Amino acid sequence: SQQGEEDPQALSIQEGENATMNCSYKTSINNLQWYRQNSGRGLVHLILIRSNEREKHSGRLRVTLDTSKKSSSLLITASQAADTASYFCATDIDGGSTLGRLYFGRGTQLTVWP
Amino acid sequence: KAGVTQTPRYLIKTRGQQVTLSCSPISGHRSVSWYQQTPGQGLQFLFEYFSETQRNKGNFPGRFSGRQFSNSRSEMNVSTLELGDSALYLCASSSAKTGNHGYTFGSGTRLTVV
Repeated sequence: SQQGEEDPQALSIQEGENATMNCSYKTSINNLQWYRQNSGRGLVHLILIRSNEREKHSGRLRVTLDTSKKSSSLLITASQAADTASYFCATDIDGGSTLGRLYFGRGTQLTVWP
Repeated sequence: KAGVTQTPRYLIKTRGQQVTLSCSPISGHRSVSWYQQTPGQGLQFLFEYFSETQRNKGNFPGRFSGRQFSNSRSEMNVSTLELGDSALYLCASSSAKTGNHGYTFGSGTRLTVV
């Protein structure tokens, strides 16, 4: 079963607009990561946020984490056509034997129109 | 520095055959994970190796196996291929022994079973 679920499944916006994607997960975690995937190729690591952090920035990306609600959001500001991709959240699981393993959601397909 | 290299990029096999996929991690990375990605099931964890030891294994049948060599290169093998094994197989490497770092993914091997 999926640990994380992204919402919405698909998002379509114009260049220059902001894009917000949400991720919910089920169990306690040590960290949560966001990845981007272009058209069936490999995943690109965007940002990692630890369970004791609430917000993190990287360029045009802003990630928040609310462990009480078991949710995270990824905000991409001033979107560009090159941001068109699928975005996945991934978590580990706090406790248990989960070394080296990430649990991925189904992803949000973002389309940015020029 | 060179990224994660997966070979081959594309592969077409017949049901019942076996296949071996290769992954060369980033130099110095000792953790290598494998994932299967399909439209129906999303990204599913296969196994993870660290310093030649399998530390974690996903819920796949015994037809799926892997190994890691002393230079951290990893291979995965699928025997008695089934149509449902058609997927994008991704490997990822990390420098960390624990999970508090992002993973670098290769571009994947697209396996088609006919």
